[in-house]
Amino acid sequence: GESVGLHLPTLSVQEGDNSIINCAYSNSASDYFIWYKQESGKGPQFIIDIRSNMDKRQGQRVTVLLNKTVKHLSLQIAATQPGDSAVYFCAEIGMDSSYKLIFGSGTRLLVRP
Amino acid sequence: NAGVTQTPKFQVLKTGQSMTLQCAQDMNHNSMYWYRQDPGMGLRLIYYSASEGTTDKGEVPNGYNVSRLNKREFSLRLESAAPSQTSVYFCASSELAAEQYFGPGTRLTVT
Repeated sequence: GESVGLHLPTLSVQEGDNSIINCAYSNSASDYFIWYKQESGKGPQFIIDIRSNMDKRQGQRVTVLLNKTVKHLSLQIAATQPGDSAVYFCAEIGMDSSYKLIFGSGTRLLVRP
Repeated sequence: NAGVTQTPKFQVLKTGQSMTLQCAQDMNHNSMYWYRQDPGMGLRLIYYSASEGTTDKGEVPNGYNVSRLNKREFSLRLESAAPSQTSVYFCASSELAAEQYFGPGTRLTVT
């Protein structure tokens, strides 16, 4: 069945360094992938998305890479800041037409001062 | 715009009690969703409403019912609460498939 998972539950980085958060997905037919950021006590917040016909997409300080060959997704955060500390989820759109998101279990990013 | 609002923010129930979680959005979105999030886990879809007048089961619908009252409001009801339903509940809405906007969540404890 469909599943989305993450390699590392917690990632600790030095402030100013780049962060890379990884995600594996199992459904090779998934068409759309999204990264969400969830701060403590808040709902998830959309960061960036990518469609399956793309390999890379850049936003402000964030880049998402999609490797369809190995079904791997990554989120790169440049010059990580304390405000980036949060749990990051990757999600994929379900295969039916209902726009259902399937979330991974999340990676906690800790930024050391 | 307030975005997605949820009430209440916190709730404690005893086993067997019932309650309704309220959700409203002011973005004129067609689709609305209810998720639950257990500690250390991602969000799991309970029910969704692709458009006003329709509702469908998600991944974990057992023990819940929903009502799409109008385009703005989508409520989640627990008829007989169980400790396994202790969780944080998030409502979301979207117009397009990708960008779902989430509310602040309702933290529910069932004793």
